[in-house]
Amino acid sequence: DIQMTQSPSSLSASVGDRVTITCRASQSISSYLNWYQQKPGKAPKLLIYAASSLQSGVPSRFSGSGSGTDFTLTISSLQPEDFATYYCQQSYSTITFGQGTRLEIK
Amino acid sequence: QVQLVQSGAEVKKPGSSVKVSCKASGGTFSSYTISWVRQAPGQGLEWMGRIIPILGIANYAQKFQGRVTITADKSTSTAYMELSSLRSEDTAVYYCARDQDAFDIWGQGTMVTVSS
Repeated sequence: DIQMTQSPSSLSASVGDRVTITCRASQSISSYLNWYQQKPGKAPKLLIYAASSLQSGVPSRFSGSGSGTDFTLTISSLQPEDFATYYCQQSYSTITFGQGTRLEIK
Repeated sequence: QVQLVQSGAEVKKPGSSVKVSCKASGGTFSSYTISWVRQAPGQGLEWMGRIIPILGIANYAQKFQGRVTITADKSTSTAYMELSSLRSEDTAVYYCARDQDAFDIWGQGTMVTVSS
């Protein structure tokens, strides 16, 4: 299976900050990379699909980039509701997720 | 608007089985794939397998091969995930999700607790 590694595992930031989360695949996955946000006690929510396409209804402060093995999720200006855990997921072959990045308030 | 509604929480004994349902409303159930993802307490997300209802074909993550069965009933727009030989490590929230190369719609989750 393809291993997905996110960094950092946790991150402290302030409202208004620009934040970047990285996801690296153990082999090339083209652009078959999705990003999710999960809040405690809730199901994950799709933010970005196919590496850089914004899911309908998701604020434009979220963006994704990358292809091959290296991908990033960027939040341009953190809002209070963005503090959550973020997961990357590849759909190139047998589905695997990154271990998650917990975004906390500084 | 497609919605996925899952069955309620379960408490099971080690060695037993659990069957979780996921009922779709809105949309055309048979035309999309349903995946199952689980999350142990305080842990990350783990994909278990998927089914294409229109074909009745399921495939599974190797970790769960032989222990999980995913089925679908087109007449009731319901997908099912059955996990057998339960052990304490199977305690988790189990989610169904519409799978269109990304999981765009999720069920609310079903907590399964395995305890003697």
